[in-house]
Amino acid sequence: EAGVTQSPRYAVLQEGQAVSFWCDPISGHDTLYWYQQPRDQGPQLLVYFRDEAVIDNSQLPSDRFSAVRPKGTNSTLKIQSAKQGDTATYLCASSLAGGEDTQYFGPGTRLLVL
Amino acid sequence: QQQVRQSPQSLTVWEGETAILNCSYENSAFDYFPWYQQFPGEGPALLIAIRSVSDKKEDGGFTIFFNKREKNLSLHIKDSQPGDSATYFCAAKGNTRKLIFGLGTTLQVQP
Repeated sequence: EAGVTQSPRYAVLQEGQAVSFWCDPISGHDTLYWYQQPRDQGPQLLVYFRDEAVIDNSQLPSDRFSAVRPKGTNSTLKIQSAKQGDTATYLCASSLAGGEDTQYFGPGTRLLVL
Repeated sequence: QQQVRQSPQSLTVWEGETAILNCSYENSAFDYFPWYQQFPGEGPALLIAIRSVSDKKEDGGFTIFFNKREKNLSLHIKDSQPGDSATYFCAAKGNTRKLIFGLGTTLQVQP
């Protein structure tokens, strides 16, 4: 079974540029999560979806960040105008409702904003 | 305010020793506590998890000891090997699907 895949793996931007991250969850997983992991810290939830619906985006900086999951499968996270403080690894995870609800993580996209 | 705290920040043990990683939490509503292992350049991977109804969970050389009254838990890695060198995250979840992670403990196992 294929795991969670993410692309690109790395991105380097100047401040003010836009960038999009793409995530393909494990097949059949109904819940998809986006996390931000600054260097030397734990992952911090930005937003999560159940199918195509946003369940919680309270930690997403809505003025510059947006996330969609239009068909309840793949998802895109976009930063409209990146800042140096956005430098971090962006992780996507997926899970299946019920049971232990284990979250499986992708390899992440490492973003450097200069 | 950090809802899940881990200590120590970094830990070095010799090969064959037992590494002990600590975690404490604030929210009494948390009832599921997974530990994730992360290697550089990779995403976190679930190692072992425990529910608050249990006080101990074992899986291979990994054991979680859980104290609900004190709101703390620990991960014991028995017979540590150099390949266990990684960052370990304690996480917690309540009745939502949101996982709250600690800052992590970086473990170095010296041969």
